[in-house]
Amino acid sequence: NAGVTQTPKFRILKIGQSMTLQCTQDMNHNYMYWYRQDPGMGLKLIYYSVGAGITDKGEVPNGYNVSRSTTEDFPLRLELAAPSQTSVYFCASTSHGGGVGNTEAFFGQGTRLTVV
Amino acid sequence: GENVEQHPSTLSVQEGDSAVIKCTYSDSASNYFPWYKQELGKRPQLIIDIRSNVGEKKDQRIAVTLNKTAKHFSLHITETQPEDSAVYFCAASGWNDMRFGAGTRLTVKP
Repeated sequence: NAGVTQTPKFRILKIGQSMTLQCTQDMNHNYMYWYRQDPGMGLKLIYYSVGAGITDKGEVPNGYNVSRSTTEDFPLRLELAAPSQTSVYFCASTSHGGGVGNTEAFFGQGTRLTVV
Repeated sequence: GENVEQHPSTLSVQEGDSAVIKCTYSDSASNYFPWYKQELGKRPQLIIDIRSNVGEKKDQRIAVTLNKTAKHFSLHITETQPEDSAVYFCAASGWNDMRFGAGTRLTVKP
């Protein structure tokens, strides 16, 4: 299993450009998350999804959009990129254990995005 | 939504000493509390977790305690080694989302 795979690993965007960060997992996990990590800071939840066709906002959703058309894929879209979106982005997935609740989150390797 | 606070932000200990990192959470519905270790330039990886029906869990030199009434949980690392140097994150999860603390940068001096 590859686990959680993110692409690209690095990207430089100009202000106002748009891009999609790709995330795919092959563990058949139902829950998926997008976080951003600013330098020296913690992980802030952007959006999450509890299954195909269902998404919800996290702590810092402004400037981002997501979709979840399949169990495997959870892309993050940035429209009109701004310098404030310079960060490292992590995608994660968990196997929600039904009545047990959430479980270990597996993270992708991260996407380092710079907006200039 | 859930709010997780983590202290201290930095911690420096001598090799062999113990390290304690504390977190508080706000949502009484949270029932899963993992701890992650992140080395420089790498992705976070789970080191230990605890559920709300358990008060304490231990795995070799690492232990986690949970006080549901006070809504706080702590990570304890004993006999620290230089390879324990990293950033540690606590998290709290209810039924759906998972929120993280701001992280603690632990430095273990040889």
